[in-house]
Amino acid sequence: DAKTTQPTSMDCAEGRAANLPCNHSTISGNEYVYWYRQIHSQGPQYIIHGLKNNETNEMASLIITEDRKSSTLILPHATLRDTAVYYCIVRVYGGSGYALNFGKGTSLLVTP
Amino acid sequence: GAVVSQHPSWVICKSGTSVKIECRSLDFQATTMFWYRQFPKQSLMLMATSNEGSKATYEQGVEKDKFLINHASLTLSTLTVTSAHPEDSSFYICSARDRVGELFFGEGSRLTVL
Repeated sequence: DAKTTQPTSMDCAEGRAANLPCNHSTISGNEYVYWYRQIHSQGPQYIIHGLKNNETNEMASLIITEDRKSSTLILPHATLRDTAVYYCIVRVYGGSGYALNFGKGTSLLVTP
Repeated sequence: GAVVSQHPSWVICKSGTSVKIECRSLDFQATTMFWYRQFPKQSLMLMATSNEGSKATYEQGVEKDKFLINHASLTLSTLTVTSAHPEDSSFYICSARDRVGELFFGEGSRLTVL
């Protein structure tokens, strides 16, 4: 799986949009971009994934650059409950036996 | 959505004893399950991959005789930490893969060895 680079930490004011960047310059054509988050002392929670088109669901939006070398996860209206570590992972969709390899992620702190 | 349940969610044991952690996929069949370990303020580290009915594949540096993994059915995998020591204290997380390749995570099990 391609390696990703994320900022170590970010702050965001409650109610504002949180934009979390991720670089994945060595991504392969068949690799998807996945985002997970981990709230303290819980298991990782799936947020969203995409291949090349922008994606949106009830939790977030995913913007992938045209060259697919970077992406941004957007939490449109951050709440205190969104404080967590956010992991950007690239992997082959449905790859047999493939585990998710977690980097260090971005620690997002949402402040009142 | 799909649910993966771990039990126990937390356990405290004495040094030298063995502890078993269960990981169940509640509403789907998991052809593959993964076990991770997470130390404080660190990321998740993959320990092993287990496929139903076959031996687990361990990552480099993980002792297979210490961390016994059994995946006897498509909905259950167990991790047994044998002869646990304080350095084994950690947050253990399982992940289950469904037939189309999606991955779902358990809530984690916190092990404290005294």
